[in-house]
Amino acid sequence: NAGVTQTPKFQVLKTGQSMTLQCAQDMNHNSMYWYRQDPGMGLRLIYYSASEGTTDKGEVPNGYNVSRLNKREFSLRLESAAPSQTSVYFCASSLPGALGLGTEAFFGQGTRLTVV
Amino acid sequence: GENVEQHPSTLSVQEGDSAVIKCTYSDSASNYFPWYKQELGKRPQLIIDIRSNVGEKKDQRIAVTLNKTAKHFSLHITETQPEDSAVYFCAARGSQGNLIFGKGTKLSVKP
Repeated sequence: NAGVTQTPKFQVLKTGQSMTLQCAQDMNHNSMYWYRQDPGMGLRLIYYSASEGTTDKGEVPNGYNVSRLNKREFSLRLESAAPSQTSVYFCASSLPGALGLGTEAFFGQGTRLTVV
Repeated sequence: GENVEQHPSTLSVQEGDSAVIKCTYSDSASNYFPWYKQELGKRPQLIIDIRSNVGEKKDQRIAVTLNKTAKHFSLHITETQPEDSAVYFCAARGSQGNLIFGKGTKLSVKP
C-alpha cells in the first residue's frame, strides 16, 4: 500500500496564479484533511472532509477551496495564489474510531509551495 | 475556538536524560490525544496516542499521561538518544473529528 500520496512535491507559483494540490489514499479511510505548516505555527487545518461528499472549513480556509472527488481523493485548490500562502502543505487521512474515539491520522509526504 | 497549547517550544537535553513535553487543550469533549514526531523535511508520524478512557500509556522509552480533569497531557521520553532529535507535536481530536495540533517542540539531544 502507498498510504497517502500527494502531488506535486514542490511548486513555485507567481502571485495570482492558480493550482490544485492532489491527494489520494488507498487505506479506505473516510476522513481526509489538508493542513499547512509554517515555522513556529505547527500544523493548521485548512479544510477537512469527514466522509465522501462532505467538506468543512478548518482554522485557516481563506484563499482555498477543496473537492472530495471520491472516497480516495481530496484536492486543494488555490484560485489566486498569494505570497502568504507560501508554506508546506500536508494531506492526511484517518478512520473514524469506534464509539466516536479517534484513530491515527496518516500524512502524505508534503508539498512545498513557494509563491513569488 | 478549540485550541491546543504546547510547551516548551524548544528543549535541549543531554543524551541519556529524560525529556518531558506538556500540552493543554480547551475542548472538554476531546477524547483522543496523539503525539507525532517530525524529522527534518519529512512527514509527521505517530509515535504514541492515548484515549480518554485511560490515564497513562507506555511504549518502551515513550510514555504519555492524560489528566482529563485538568485538560492536559504530557509526553515523556526516557533515556534519550540522538535519534530522538526532532519536532514533536501533540494533538487533540476536536468536536468535528478533526485533529487540532499544538505548535510543536523542537527537541535536541546532545551526545
